[in-house]
Amino acid sequence: AQKVTQAQTEISVVEKEDVTLDCVYETRDTTYYLFWYKQPPSGELVFLIRRNSFDEQNEISGRYSWNFQKSTSSFNFTITASQVVDSAVYFCALMVNYGGSQGNLIFGKGTKLSVKP
Amino acid sequence: KAGVTQTPRYLIKTRGQQVTLSCSPISGHRSVSWYQQTPGQGLQFLFEYFSETQRNKGNFPGRFSGRQFSNSRSEMNVSTLELGDSALYLCASSLDAGTAGNTIYFGEGSWLTVV
Repeated sequence: AQKVTQAQTEISVVEKEDVTLDCVYETRDTTYYLFWYKQPPSGELVFLIRRNSFDEQNEISGRYSWNFQKSTSSFNFTITASQVVDSAVYFCALMVNYGGSQGNLIFGKGTKLSVKP
Repeated sequence: KAGVTQTPRYLIKTRGQQVTLSCSPISGHRSVSWYQQTPGQGLQFLFEYFSETQRNKGNFPGRFSGRQFSNSRSEMNVSTLELGDSALYLCASSLDAGTAGNTIYFGEGSWLTVV
């Protein structure tokens, strides 16, 4: 069975602090995809990153960076120099390969990040 | 490029009624999927449609149904509403050009309250 665990329910930081959101996944498939989404109060899930299981390179996009480690089944997300606008719920999600069809997302419970000025 | 559009954004229904939610995917996207988000259960997959056919289904009762039209637009229907159906219903679309793992883009959702 597939599962995504985001152990941190809520995190509160002060602006300009760095913060890391943890994500641990479980799957027996060798081909899978990992995603991070941001959900502001409006409700829309905003896509942040997609990573496939064969690409373990870390990625940096501005203040955002992601660390993918297959050895520990983790896909952690770090925000550097956090800002108030980063306040949102962040979801990590797993998608497995269903014989070439799209597959569905399996979400973690989310981490609510509050950045205080 | 327009994103995923969902209507209505907010609605209130009474127990026992039915509701239909609509979704227009990103232009060119052929796969449309639906998710339910509740405080207790989190985000859960309902079903996915491709070329007017349901291709994948989550673990929800038969009261939840959907369909996709030839222009890729989709609707989902919930019959005999229960209080527990109160949730944010999110529609998502992806390109699905024959390969797996395409990025899924979400709409703003439809907030359903059942009273």
